[in-house]
Amino acid sequence: DGGITQSPKYLFRKEGQNVTLSCEQNLNHDAMYWYRQDPGQGLRLIYYSQIVNDFQKGDIAEGYSVSREKKESFPLTVTSAQKNPTAFYLCASNGLGGYTFGSGTRLTVV
Amino acid sequence: GNSVTQMEGPVTLSEEAFLTINCTYTATGYPSLFWYVQYPGEGLQLLLKATKADDKGSNKGFEATYRKETTSFHLEKGSVQVSDSAVYFCALSEWRVSGANSKLTFGKGITLSVRP
Repeated sequence: DGGITQSPKYLFRKEGQNVTLSCEQNLNHDAMYWYRQDPGQGLRLIYYSQIVNDFQKGDIAEGYSVSREKKESFPLTVTSAQKNPTAFYLCASNGLGGYTFGSGTRLTVV
Repeated sequence: GNSVTQMEGPVTLSEEAFLTINCTYTATGYPSLFWYVQYPGEGLQLLLKATKADDKGSNKGFEATYRKETTSFHLEKGSVQVSDSAVYFCALSEWRVSGANSKLTFGKGITLSVRP
Protein backbone atom coordinates (compact mmCIF):
# COMPACT_ATOMS: atom_id res chain seq x y z
CA ASP A 1 0.00 0.00 0.00
CA GLY A 2 1.16 3.51 -0.74
CA GLY A 3 1.82 5.90 2.08
CA ILE A 4 4.26 7.94 4.11
CA THR A 5 6.60 6.44 6.67
CA GLN A 6 8.09 8.56 9.42
CA SER A 7 10.79 7.26 11.71
CA PRO A 8 11.45 6.99 14.50
CA LYS A 9 8.11 7.35 16.30
CA TYR A 10 9.80 8.68 19.43
CA LEU A 11 13.14 10.47 19.59
CA PHE A 12 15.11 11.87 22.48
CA ARG A 13 17.83 14.45 22.00
CA LYS A 14 20.29 16.02 24.34
CA GLU A 15 20.60 19.78 24.29
CA GLY A 16 23.18 20.95 21.76
CA GLN A 17 22.82 17.95 19.48
CA ASN A 18 21.53 17.82 15.94
CA VAL A 19 19.00 15.13 15.11
CA THR A 20 17.48 13.99 11.80
CA LEU A 21 13.88 12.86 11.31
CA SER A 22 13.15 10.56 8.41
CA CYS A 23 10.23 10.85 5.96
CA GLU A 24 9.77 8.45 3.04
CA GLN A 25 6.84 8.20 0.62
CA ASN A 26 6.00 5.71 -2.13
CA LEU A 27 3.08 7.68 -3.57
CA ASN A 28 5.11 9.24 -6.37
CA HIS A 29 4.13 12.69 -5.06
CA ASP A 30 6.20 15.67 -6.13
CA ALA A 31 5.42 17.90 -3.16
CA MET A 32 6.45 17.16 0.43
CA TYR A 33 6.07 19.15 3.64
CA TRP A 34 7.20 19.26 7.25
CA TYR A 35 4.89 20.58 9.95
CA ARG A 36 5.44 21.12 13.65
CA GLN A 37 2.56 20.58 16.06
CA ASP A 38 2.43 22.11 19.53
CA PRO A 39 -0.55 21.92 21.91
CA GLY A 40 -3.05 24.68 21.20
CA GLN A 41 -1.09 26.04 18.23
CA GLY A 42 -2.19 23.81 15.41
CA LEU A 43 0.26 22.84 12.70
CA ARG A 44 2.90 25.25 11.52
CA LEU A 45 4.86 24.79 8.31
CA ILE A 46 8.63 24.37 8.67
CA TYR A 47 9.82 23.59 5.12
CA TYR A 48 8.32 22.35 1.89
CA SER A 49 9.59 20.99 -1.39
CA GLN A 50 7.69 20.91 -4.66
CA ILE A 51 10.34 19.13 -6.70
CA VAL A 52 13.58 17.22 -6.23
CA ASN A 53 16.61 19.36 -5.36
CA ASP A 54 14.44 22.35 -4.47
CA PHE A 55 12.82 23.44 -1.20
CA GLN A 56 11.47 26.59 0.45
CA LYS A 57 11.24 27.88 3.98
CA GLY A 58 7.90 27.82 5.68
CA ASP A 59 6.69 29.97 8.54
CA ILE A 60 9.07 28.65 11.24
CA ALA A 61 12.22 27.47 9.41
CA GLU A 62 14.80 28.88 11.85
CA GLY A 63 16.83 26.13 13.50
CA TYR A 64 15.81 23.50 10.93
CA SER A 65 17.28 22.22 7.67
CA VAL A 66 16.09 19.83 4.96
CA SER A 67 17.26 18.13 1.80
CA ARG A 68 15.44 16.66 -1.19
CA GLU A 69 17.91 14.51 -3.09
CA LYS A 70 15.32 11.90 -4.03
CA LYS A 71 11.64 12.20 -4.83
CA GLU A 72 10.76 9.65 -2.15
CA SER A 73 12.69 11.19 0.73
CA PHE A 74 12.51 14.51 2.60
CA PRO A 75 14.53 14.32 5.85
CA LEU A 76 14.35 17.09 8.44
CA THR A 77 17.31 18.01 10.64
CA VAL A 78 16.62 19.77 13.91
CA THR A 79 19.78 21.67 14.72
CA SER A 80 21.12 22.91 18.02
CA ALA A 81 20.05 26.40 16.93
CA GLN A 82 16.39 25.46 17.41
CA LYS A 83 15.61 26.94 20.82
CA ASN A 84 12.57 24.82 21.70
CA PRO A 85 12.58 21.65 19.62
CA THR A 86 10.33 19.50 21.81
CA ALA A 87 7.23 18.92 19.67
CA PHE A 88 5.35 16.51 17.44
CA TYR A 89 6.60 16.59 13.83
CA LEU A 90 4.43 15.61 10.90
CA CYS A 91 5.52 14.97 7.33
CA ALA A 92 3.07 15.18 4.44
CA SER A 93 3.05 14.77 0.68
CA ASN A 94 0.68 16.06 -1.95
CA GLY A 95 -0.28 14.75 -5.35
CA LEU A 96 -3.30 14.13 -7.55
CA GLY A 97 -5.07 12.25 -4.78
CA GLY A 98 -4.59 15.05 -2.26
CA TYR A 99 -2.53 15.28 0.88
CA THR A 100 -1.26 12.27 2.81
CA PHE A 101 0.24 12.56 6.30
CA GLY A 102 2.69 10.36 8.12
CA SER A 103 2.05 9.15 11.66
CA GLY A 104 4.50 11.62 13.15
CA THR A 105 7.67 11.72 15.24
CA ARG A 106 7.59 12.96 18.82
CA LEU A 107 10.86 14.68 19.63
CA THR A 108 11.81 15.36 23.24
CA VAL A 109 14.87 17.27 24.40
CA VAL A 110 16.32 15.86 27.59
CA GLY B 1 -1.87 36.02 3.67
CA ASN B 2 -4.14 33.07 4.27
CA SER B 3 -5.44 32.20 7.72
CA VAL B 4 -7.92 29.87 9.39
CA THR B 5 -9.71 30.57 12.66
CA GLN B 6 -11.36 27.84 14.68
CA MET B 7 -13.53 28.18 17.74
CA GLU B 8 -11.82 27.76 21.09
CA GLY B 9 -11.88 24.40 22.78
CA PRO B 10 -11.93 21.85 24.22
CA VAL B 11 -15.45 20.62 23.61
CA THR B 12 -17.06 17.90 25.71
CA LEU B 13 -20.35 16.33 24.64
CA SER B 14 -22.50 13.42 25.65
CA GLU B 15 -23.00 10.58 23.19
CA GLU B 16 -25.71 11.29 20.59
CA ALA B 17 -25.45 15.06 21.08
CA PHE B 18 -25.32 17.46 18.12
CA LEU B 19 -21.90 18.80 17.18
CA THR B 20 -20.94 22.10 15.58
CA ILE B 21 -17.34 23.25 15.27
CA ASN B 22 -16.96 26.70 13.76
CA CYS B 23 -14.31 27.56 11.19
CA THR B 24 -13.78 30.79 9.28
CA TYR B 25 -11.05 31.63 6.83
CA THR B 26 -9.23 34.48 5.10
CA ALA B 27 -7.81 33.90 1.65
CA THR B 28 -6.80 36.06 -1.28
CA GLY B 29 -8.02 33.70 -4.00
CA TYR B 30 -10.28 30.67 -4.29
CA PRO B 31 -9.24 28.12 -1.71
CA SER B 32 -10.18 24.52 -1.21
CA LEU B 33 -11.33 23.81 2.33
CA PHE B 34 -10.69 20.74 4.47
CA TRP B 35 -11.45 19.16 7.80
CA TYR B 36 -8.82 16.80 9.18
CA VAL B 37 -9.09 14.54 12.22
CA GLN B 38 -6.25 13.38 14.47
CA TYR B 39 -6.64 10.47 16.85
CA PRO B 40 -4.25 10.25 19.83
CA GLY B 41 -0.64 9.61 18.84
CA GLU B 42 -1.41 9.53 15.13
CA GLY B 43 -1.05 11.69 12.06
CA LEU B 44 -3.86 13.55 10.32
CA GLN B 45 -6.60 11.91 8.29
CA LEU B 46 -8.74 13.75 5.81
CA LEU B 47 -12.33 13.83 7.06
CA LEU B 48 -13.96 15.82 4.27
CA LYS B 49 -13.31 18.59 1.77
CA ALA B 50 -14.98 21.11 -0.51
CA THR B 51 -13.35 22.77 -3.47
CA LYS B 52 -15.76 25.55 -4.43
CA ALA B 53 -18.50 27.76 -3.03
CA ASP B 54 -21.71 25.99 -1.93
CA ASP B 55 -20.08 22.55 -2.13
CA LYS B 56 -20.94 20.27 0.77
CA GLY B 57 -18.35 17.78 1.98
CA SER B 58 -19.53 14.76 3.94
CA ASN B 59 -18.08 11.63 5.48
CA LYS B 60 -18.90 9.33 8.44
CA GLY B 61 -21.94 11.44 9.34
CA PHE B 62 -19.95 14.69 9.39
CA GLU B 63 -20.86 17.53 7.03
CA ALA B 64 -19.50 20.97 6.17
CA THR B 65 -20.66 23.48 3.57
CA TYR B 66 -18.34 25.95 1.82
CA ARG B 67 -19.93 29.36 2.43
CA LYS B 68 -18.12 32.03 0.45
CA GLU B 69 -20.42 34.84 1.59
CA THR B 70 -19.54 34.24 5.24
CA THR B 71 -16.06 32.74 4.56
CA SER B 72 -16.98 29.77 6.73
CA PHE B 73 -16.75 25.98 6.69
CA HIS B 74 -18.41 24.83 9.91
CA LEU B 75 -18.30 21.13 10.78
CA GLU B 76 -21.50 19.43 11.95
CA LYS B 77 -22.65 15.99 13.02
CA GLY B 78 -26.13 15.12 14.13
CA SER B 79 -25.24 12.45 16.70
CA VAL B 80 -21.70 12.05 18.00
CA GLN B 81 -20.21 8.80 19.25
CA VAL B 82 -17.46 8.08 21.76
CA SER B 83 -15.27 7.01 18.84
CA ASP B 84 -15.46 10.59 17.45
CA SER B 85 -13.24 11.79 20.30
CA ALA B 86 -10.22 13.35 18.59
CA VAL B 87 -8.65 16.64 17.55
CA TYR B 88 -10.26 18.35 14.56
CA PHE B 89 -8.42 20.77 12.28
CA CYS B 90 -9.89 23.09 9.69
CA ALA B 91 -7.51 23.91 6.82
CA LEU B 92 -7.32 25.60 3.45
CA SER B 93 -5.20 25.16 0.37
CA GLU B 94 -5.02 27.61 -2.46
CA TRP B 95 -3.85 26.76 -5.96
CA ARG B 96 -1.42 29.26 -7.32
CA VAL B 97 -1.74 30.77 -10.77
CA SER B 98 1.27 28.72 -11.83
CA GLY B 99 -0.64 25.53 -11.09
CA ALA B 100 1.81 24.39 -8.46
CA ASN B 101 0.30 23.05 -5.27
CA SER B 102 -0.03 25.50 -2.46
CA LYS B 103 0.69 24.51 1.10
CA LEU B 104 -2.03 23.78 3.67
CA THR B 105 -2.81 26.45 6.23
CA PHE B 106 -4.31 25.07 9.44
CA GLY B 107 -6.44 26.37 12.25
CA LYS B 108 -5.29 25.70 15.80
CA GLY B 109 -7.41 22.59 16.16
CA ILE B 110 -10.04 21.71 18.70
CA THR B 111 -10.20 18.70 20.99
CA LEU B 112 -13.53 16.90 21.09
CA SER B 113 -14.29 14.51 23.93
CA VAL B 114 -17.50 12.46 23.81
CA ARG B 115 -18.59 10.77 27.01
CA PRO B 116 -20.85 7.69 27.11
